[in-house]
Amino acid sequence: QSALTQPPSASGSPGQSVTISCTGTSSDVGAHKWVSWYQQHPGKAPKLIMYEGYKRPSGVPDRFSGSKSGNTASLTVSGLQAEDEAVYYCSTYAGSNSLVFGGGATLTVL
Amino acid sequence: EVKLVQSGPEVKKSGESLKISCEGSGFSFDSYWIGWVRQKPGKGLEWMGLINPADSDTRYSPSFQGQVDISADKSISTSYLQWRSLQASDSAIYWCARVITFGEIIVHLDHWGQGTLVTVPS
Repeated sequence: QSALTQPPSASGSPGQSVTISCTGTSSDVGAHKWVSWYQQHPGKAPKLIMYEGYKRPSGVPDRFSGSKSGNTASLTVSGLQAEDEAVYYCSTYAGSNSLVFGGGATLTVL
Repeated sequence: EVKLVQSGPEVKKSGESLKISCEGSGFSFDSYWIGWVRQKPGKGLEWMGLINPADSDTRYSPSFQGQVDISADKSISTSYLQWRSLQASDSAIYWCARVITFGEIIVHLDHWGQGTLVTVPS
């Protein structure tokens, strides 16, 4: 399976909003609702921040929101804070008991 | 509290074998699949495969089939990732994670271990 396509980087000033896209195909992202997002700070384990496209695990601030349109899923971070600076990965079920990840997008808070 | 604790960093020579571990606690280990993910230095996440500790049913990503072995011992709530002959290209951080499924579908990975760094100098 091919990796999902994410922009390599995104940036915004504190308080602003930024959206990170994740593009797949009609066989993965576009086929179902099972898109998840992970946040990874340097030297740390990835952390689940969004699942089933728009659902947040307990403890994840509501500044994080998710959506999907066709073959593209999106993660929006509103009210940017310095602690949001991290790499963000999208992921989805790709069939045959496999997950596929995006290449990761580095979010910089200016 | 759900926890996945992985074994420590390893430095091995090319051609050597290696087995790293992932011990779960705070949940019923044999009620969840456990997945493994590779992350090469400075790179993204790659799905390797998963195992059902209840019956050791194991599924591999085509990219890793035949390259590694995933196993589990439910009596000690531990999953393993094993190589018979390491190569320099195996140098990476390896993450284990608890897998949330919906039937046969892998939905997401909700808890992750702290990672195991494997270094195989070239």
